Amino acid sequence: AQSVTQLDSQVPVFEEAPVELRCNYSSSVSVYLFWYVQYPNQGLQLLLKYLSGSTLVKGINGFEAEFNKSQTSFHLRKPSVHISDTAEYFCAVSLANAGGTSYGKLTFGQGTILTVHP
Amino acid sequence: DSGVTQTPKHLITATGQRVTLRCSPRSGDLSVYWYQQSLDQGLQFLIQYYNGEERAKGNILERFSAQQFPDLHSELNLSSLELGDSALYFCASSAQATNEKLFFGSGTQLSVL
Repeated sequence: AQSVTQLDSQVPVFEEAPVELRCNYSSSVSVYLFWYVQYPNQGLQLLLKYLSGSTLVKGINGFEAEFNKSQTSFHLRKPSVHISDTAEYFCAVSLANAGGTSYGKLTFGQGTILTVHP
Repeated sequence: DSGVTQTPKHLITATGQRVTLRCSPRSGDLSVYWYQQSLDQGLQFLIQYYNGEERAKGNILERFSAQQFPDLHSELNLSSLELGDSALYFCASSAQATNEKLFFGSGTQLSVL
């Protein structure tokens, strides 16, 4: 079975500073990786995903993540954060399908609350 | 706005009762997923339906059931409710059977008293 560990439950940061939200996964088979963001009182929204190809993935709102197979990590980064980035961020994993697509269950981490201070 | 509609937004009920949560997916999406979010368990996958058929099953209790109707809306039925069932229940949809991009609704907050 696959699992996801988000290493920080809360990350406070000042506006315009860089940020890294850490995610490690565990799986005995190939996986696909995702980052979702949840703004207050809203559902989750996909930020970015890694399915195959380049290990550096760019997403919406200036976020990017790097898939590191040897370290089983998929850390999320942004070079300069804004107040509006304050939200909870979830890393998720899905088992890779032989046909190269992702199906079924997404396993989510416990979430990291990013708080951007002025 | 994700285009996924969940009703009701809030539900307060008593132990032992039964409730139904409703989800309308984005227009044209064939898959519906149900997730439970609680403080102790985090986000847990319950079940997926694709075009009316059950496609994948997660940690869904036997007291819970779901279905997807011909118009593609879905309902999650929770019965014999316990205090521990109090949680935020999310519905998500995707265009096809793959889960590569899910669109989440705003959730139904269930409080069991």
